Amino acid sequence: GAVVSQHPSWVICKSGTSVKIECRSLDFQATTMFWYRQFPKQSLMLMATSNEGSKATYEQGVEKDKFLINHASLTLSTLTVTSAHPEDSSFYICSAGQGVITEAFFGQGTRLTVV
Amino acid sequence: QKEVEQNSGPLSVPEGAIASLNCTYSDRGSQSFFWYRQYSGKSPELIMSIYSNGDKEDGRFTAQLNKASQYVSLLIRDSQPSDSATYLCASQGSYQLTFGKGTKLSVIP
Repeated sequence: GAVVSQHPSWVICKSGTSVKIECRSLDFQATTMFWYRQFPKQSLMLMATSNEGSKATYEQGVEKDKFLINHASLTLSTLTVTSAHPEDSSFYICSAGQGVITEAFFGQGTRLTVV
Repeated sequence: QKEVEQNSGPLSVPEGAIASLNCTYSDRGSQSFFWYRQYSGKSPELIMSIYSNGDKEDGRFTAQLNKASQYVSLLIRDSQPSDSATYLCASQGSYQLTFGKGTKLSVIP
């Protein structure tokens, strides 16, 4: 399957600071990338869908000003958690697809801990 | 609202037995269905996809789809302790995937 690389794999930050997470498709051009959040023992919750060169579409209840998504190229999307708070601590996972999505390839995930 | 339902488990089976995981979905327009395996602290890994009614086999895994009943299942034959994980069912309608909450499988040596 296709390779999606996510970085960093874990990060600890202080409350009030911002954190950027990168998601790269290594061997294909990803026209669409998805960002998920997963709390312990919960399922994946879709946060937003980003298409290359356009604004991201956020799911209901997800603050677009807090979770900034940029998809500037066909191989890179970034998620920036701004003014992070302890309740933002979670496992963030990206996935990428090409054209009409038939299956999702996931990055390794980023464990964010806000202290 | 599109939903994918799974029994959260845990489902415990002895090593060597068949593990049967089930999933139902609400969106009749869904065309593609996937099973992902997720180990604790890791991201999901695609193990099976199925698009048409019937069975699809890949090694020890068999996915079954019944669109009339809106039902998808995954059978794992000769279960191994390394199969212990949470299994996520996902359906795809027109664009994005909808995930179930996952079934936790424990294979007992």
